[in-house]
Amino acid sequence: QQQVRQSPQSLTVWEGETAILNCSYENSAFDYFPWYQQFPGEGPALLISILSVSDKKEDGRFTIFFNKREKKLSLHIADSQPGDSATYFCAARVLATGGNNKLTFGQGTVLSVIP
Amino acid sequence: GGIITQTPKFLIGQEGQKLTLKCQQNFNHDTMYWYRQDSGKGLRLIYYSITENDLQKGDLSEGYDASREKKSSFSLTVTSAQKNEMAVFLCASSIDWSAETLYFGSGTRLTVL
Repeated sequence: QQQVRQSPQSLTVWEGETAILNCSYENSAFDYFPWYQQFPGEGPALLISILSVSDKKEDGRFTIFFNKREKKLSLHIADSQPGDSATYFCAARVLATGGNNKLTFGQGTVLSVIP
Repeated sequence: GGIITQTPKFLIGQEGQKLTLKCQQNFNHDTMYWYRQDSGKGLRLIYYSITENDLQKGDLSEGYDASREKKSSFSLTVTSAQKNEMAVFLCASSIDWSAETLYFGSGTRLTVL
């Protein structure tokens, strides 16, 4: 059962547009939501993250919007650039005692930005 | 800064073979992870190790063994390669068990003939 779901599976936007990547989850105990960016042939790298106590997090052109009641979040990439073309993973963590934390990843969204 | 080094980058095996993937990190991080990446399925956790001498099963541990030889190294063994076992295996580390930031290697691509 997929606890973290992403949509769309793939997304194509023109350079300069805002790309919107969606994520939803089932477990109310998730408290931390990082987004990872992966380029072909490389491992994922942390892009931006948000804690469940916040509803928005901005870092340059990247913004996370978080709706705890609906268990949804989205990553907005403003002024999309061809260099943003990559796979984006939404992940979620339950902060557990005893060191048993682990990230659950969504299936990813492949973003293509056309010049 | 630091780096995660995975060896080999490409691994070709025969069905039924035992195969070992290796991972080294020089971040001096406590926690290390093995994930499997399949197209369209995201990343799934196989094994993780909170500290040296610790080993925890993830959601996909059946068919795999792992070993944390020392703080800087974490190995994964495919105990019997299966025909449908074609995926990228990613090693990662984090400073501690909080899993706030994972640093990934570039992966080992496994192909089973």
